[in-house]
Amino acid sequence: AQSVSQHNHHVILSEAASLELGCNYSYGGTVNLFWYVQYPGQHLQLLLKYFSGDPLVKGIKGFEAEFIKSKFSFNLRKPSVQWSDTAEYFCAVSTGRRALTFGSGTRLQVQP
Amino acid sequence: GAGVSQSPSNKVTEKGKDVELRCDPISGHTALYWYRQSLGQGLEFLIYFQGNSAPDKSGLPSDRFSAERTGGSVSTLTIQRTQQEDSAVYLCASSLEGTGDTQYFGPGTRLTVL
Repeated sequence: AQSVSQHNHHVILSEAASLELGCNYSYGGTVNLFWYVQYPGQHLQLLLKYFSGDPLVKGIKGFEAEFIKSKFSFNLRKPSVQWSDTAEYFCAVSTGRRALTFGSGTRLQVQP
Repeated sequence: GAGVSQSPSNKVTEKGKDVELRCDPISGHTALYWYRQSLGQGLEFLIYFQGNSAPDKSGLPSDRFSAERTGGSVSTLTIQRTQQEDSAVYLCASSLEGTGDTQYFGPGTRLTVL
């Protein structure tokens, strides 16, 4: 069965710091990879996704993620975070007919 | 167009009662999903509907949980004889095609079982 691991449960950064959130998945076949974000009081929304092609994917609000197949990883990055990036971030994987399998989430707190 | 909507937004019930949660997907989306978000446990897949195919019920935690999707659109998730451990936010999502497509989430229904 597929699974997703997010290693950082709670991250606290100061504004302008760089961000990298880890995501590893376990599945040997073709995968579609996603990062979703949930801002305080709002519902989940898509940040970026990887289906095929260029393994470096750019999303909204300056976020990007790199798919490294050999490492089964899809880490999320942002060079300079803002206070408004405070949210919970979820990595998710989809394979074949299965619905999304989510990681446990990373709560990001950006201090002004 | 409108996004995914869910009702009610909050539901408080007593242990042992049945509850029904409703989801209206984005018009034209063929796939509909239910997830559960429990405190400290992330998002858990419950059930998935795709067109006229038999639903994938592999995520339902017990036979107290069931869901249906009428006319390929609105879905209802029913929890019978609710237990305190059923307390969670129940999320619905829809996608244009199948599981490889982007899923759009509703605001969720917060269920509290007393």
